Amino acid sequence: EPEVTQTPSHQVTQMGQEVILRCVPISNHLYFYWYRQILGQKVEFLVSFYNNEISEKSEIFDDQFSVERPDGSNFTLKIRSTKLEDSAMYFCASSAGEPTDTQYFGPGTRLTVL
Amino acid sequence: AQKVTQAQTEISVVEKEDVTLDCVYETRDTTYYLFWYKQPPSGELVFLIRRNSFDEQNEISGRYSWNFQKSTSSFNFTITASQVVDSAVYFCALSETRGGSEKLVFGKGMKLTVNP
Repeated sequence: EPEVTQTPSHQVTQMGQEVILRCVPISNHLYFYWYRQILGQKVEFLVSFYNNEISEKSEIFDDQFSVERPDGSNFTLKIRSTKLEDSAMYFCASSAGEPTDTQYFGPGTRLTVL
Repeated sequence: AQKVTQAQTEISVVEKEDVTLDCVYETRDTTYYLFWYKQPPSGELVFLIRRNSFDEQNEISGRYSWNFQKSTSSFNFTITASQVVDSAVYFCALSETRGGSEKLVFGKGMKLTVNP
């Protein structure tokens, strides 16, 4: 069964460093998303991406964040200068041909900022 | 604004008990989707069900069943004869379609512990 994959599973970085979180969505899916979950809290929407551009972004998704689909398979989230409060689990999701199709989530990347 | 409320934060049951997880939502959209996701201790988010706002028919899948009531804006989830493997955090979510894409608004989650 096709699934969303994410790498790395755990990333530890120093405050102020740049990190790139990688995702491989389900092939033939057209809509891509990033969410984050601070430990013990609810899952929060960050950004949606379709047709090589951002469809919507939340207030959390400020200028420190960017997304890219560098090739036909990867979808990345970059945080330019990490802060302590960026420590969280980051989930990538993808959905098929319609925006209302079910979003399938990857296993997540746990980001720890020291 | 869209909102999902899961009033229960944590429930502990003994194996084979039935348990119902409550979910109440708020939306001004006439068309929307409701979801339940399971987050086991390993951390991934596992899709369980999606329900269209026009389809109020209850659904059963094995030991899982869902009761969607538009009149009370609720989408409750029942696990029958719970098992230890059901131990997880369960999230209810509501879709919000804006600008041609959809984002999910999640509740705070409900941690279910099933004891042997």
